[in-house]
Amino acid sequence: QVQLQESGPGLVKPSQTLSLSCTVSGVSISSGGYHWSWIRQHPGKGLEWIGYTYYSGSTYYNPSLKSRVTISIDTSTNQFSLNLNSVTAADTAVYYCARDISVAGTGNFDLWGRGTLVTVSS
Amino acid sequence: SSELTQDPAVSVALGQTVRITCQGDSLRNYYISWYQQKPGQAPVLVNYGENNRPSGIPDRFSGSSSGNTPSLTITGAQAEDEADYYCSSRDSSGNYVVFGGGTKLTVL
Repeated sequence: QVQLQESGPGLVKPSQTLSLSCTVSGVSISSGGYHWSWIRQHPGKGLEWIGYTYYSGSTYYNPSLKSRVTISIDTSTNQFSLNLNSVTAADTAVYYCARDISVAGTGNFDLWGRGTLVTVSS
Repeated sequence: SSELTQDPAVSVALGQTVRITCQGDSLRNYYISWYQQKPGQAPVLVNYGENNRPSGIPDRFSGSSSGNTPSLTITGAQAEDEADYYCSSRDSSGNYVVFGGGTKLTVL
């Protein structure tokens, strides 16, 4: 059974870097065939795609966040990670990691982590 | 604002059929995915591409398109279908994933 689990601090100070990891179990990230994504949801709002990475290390980001985002993959630990720098209160959200089963990374997210709430506050 | 537009809220009587739509310029060129999200839970993929359902999704959830307007149809809505529904696809440039604003479905 494939599962995804987010981990990381639930509280980040303004101007600092938000760092989260997603541990994938039940399938090897390096097997290819999937894009591994981060998606967030502001409290009471809709979903926002942040970006994805592929086992090769290639990445693609939402243009609205591109200047602050880095997504990386570690095949040795079967994890992929999100770094979002210079955070503000507007980055307070539930952050999800998800698997995209579409060939071109077009957004068929068939598996999601449970999500982790990250609050930006001093 | 989202490049994909959804009605904010829709209601349906128990056992009846409801259609949830999604509009956007990019939908002329790209397939769509549909997600169900219940309070406090992660979204669940319920339909994608040309009416594909992941394993475990009831067949009352179907996807279709009329013109350039795709829709998710729930035939014989159940109380447990009450949730928020989101569409997603590519943006009009084809460069990244976008979500609709979501439709809150109430089952009466």
